[in-house]
Amino acid sequence: DGGITQSPKYLFRKEGQNVTLSCEQNLNHDAMYWYRQDPGQGLRLIYYSQIVNDFQKGDIAEGYSVSREKKESFPLTVTSAQKNPTAFYLCASSRGPKQETQYFGPGTRLLVL
Amino acid sequence: KQEVTQIPAALSVPEGENLVLNCSFTDSAIYNLQWFRQDPGKGLTSLLLIQSSQREQTSGRLNASLDKSSGRSTLYIAASQPGDSATYLCAAAGGTSYGKLTFGQGTILTVHP
Repeated sequence: DGGITQSPKYLFRKEGQNVTLSCEQNLNHDAMYWYRQDPGQGLRLIYYSQIVNDFQKGDIAEGYSVSREKKESFPLTVTSAQKNPTAFYLCASSRGPKQETQYFGPGTRLLVL
Repeated sequence: KQEVTQIPAALSVPEGENLVLNCSFTDSAIYNLQWFRQDPGKGLTSLLLIQSSQREQTSGRLNASLDKSSGRSTLYIAASQPGDSATYLCAAAGGTSYGKLTFGQGTILTVHP
C-alpha cells in the first residue's frame, strides 16, 4: 500500500526546543516538499528536495532545517529560531522535479506549550 | 511573484446543485494548474491537473478548465453530494525547474441534504 506517512499526528513544543517532524514515502518519488498551513490560508513552501542529498529553501525557510539522506525520508526540524511555529505541516512528494502531481501526507499539527 | 486567489471563500448549496469554483492567478507562465480537496484536519487529495497546453480535464463529476491568457481556472462539480463537502484548493505550478506550487486560500464547500 503505497503512500506518504507523517508522524507524529500531534506534536507539542516547549519554548527554546527543537522538534523534528517525520515524513516517509514508499512511492519511489525523487522530489519531496514541506509546506506550512495556517488557518484560513493556503499552503506555503518551506523546503523542497529534488534528489537525495540536495535541498533548497522555499518561501518561508527561516527557522526550519531539513535533510535528505535517503530517497524515502525528508525530515523537517523546527528550530527555536522559529518564533511562530504553531501550524499544520504537510509533506508531499512527486515523481520528479518537473511539474507533476504532488501527493500529500496526512499532516502533523504542531502546538506550542 | 505568483499570486493565486480563489472565489468564493465559502459556498453552501443544496444537494444536487451544479456549482463552479473559481481560481485566478497573476502570472500566466505556469506549467500546470492543480486542484486539490482537503477534508478537515487532513492532508490534500489531488483531484485534477491541467497542463498549460490543455484547456480542460475531467474526472467523474468534476471538470476543470484553464484559460492561461486570462489567468483563470474553474472547477465545475456536477450534481453535488453531501460527501463533496470539503475545502477545495487550487495551485499554480510556476515556470521553474522544480515543482513549486503557489496555493490559493481555498473555497470551503458545504453541500447540505
